[in-house]
Amino acid sequence: AQSVTQLDSQVPVFEEAPVELRCNYSSSVSVYLFWYVQYPNQGLQLLLKYLSGSTLVESINGFEAEFNKSQTSFHLRKPSVHISDTAEYFCAVSERNPGNTPLVFGKGTRLSVIA
Amino acid sequence: KAGVTQTPRYLIKTRGQQVTLSCSPISGHRSVSWYQQTPGQGLQFLFEYFSETQRNKGNFPGRFSGRQFSNSRSEMNVSTLELGDSALYLCASSSSTGRGFRAEAFFGQGTRLTVV
Repeated sequence: AQSVTQLDSQVPVFEEAPVELRCNYSSSVSVYLFWYVQYPNQGLQLLLKYLSGSTLVESINGFEAEFNKSQTSFHLRKPSVHISDTAEYFCAVSERNPGNTPLVFGKGTRLSVIA
Repeated sequence: KAGVTQTPRYLIKTRGQQVTLSCSPISGHRSVSWYQQTPGQGLQFLFEYFSETQRNKGNFPGRFSGRQFSNSRSEMNVSTLELGDSALYLCASSSSTGRGFRAEAFFGQGTRLTVV
């Protein structure tokens, strides 16, 4: 069965500074990888996903993540954060075959952007 | 296109009672999943329904059950509520068909259940 480890439960960072949220996964088969964001009192919103092809994926609001198969990682990065990026971020994995396994989530990383 | 709708948003129940939560997926989505979110355990998978059939089930006691209707709307039921069932219950829908491709999941805002 697959599992996800988010190495940092909380990450404080100053506004306009870069940030990296770390995610490692474990699976015996190929996987799909996702990052979701959750704002207070809200559900989860998909930030970006890796399904196949280029290992670097980008979101429309400046986040990017790189799939590294050898290190079984899918770290999330942003070169310059804004106050509005303050939220909880979840990494998730789903096994590629047979393709109907549920999403397994990490425990989440709370990003706090400081003015 | 309307998003995933969960009702009610908030619930307060007493220990021993039962509760039913509702989820209306995005139009055209046939896969509906339920998750429990708590500060201690994070997001835990409850079950997934596809075309009215339970396709996957998480590691929860039999007090937790669900069903899906022909219009893809889903309900989950928790019987004999315990204090530890207090959580945010999230529903997600997707266009996944289970044929080797996992489409992205779209989440509702959740139902916050408090058991007193």
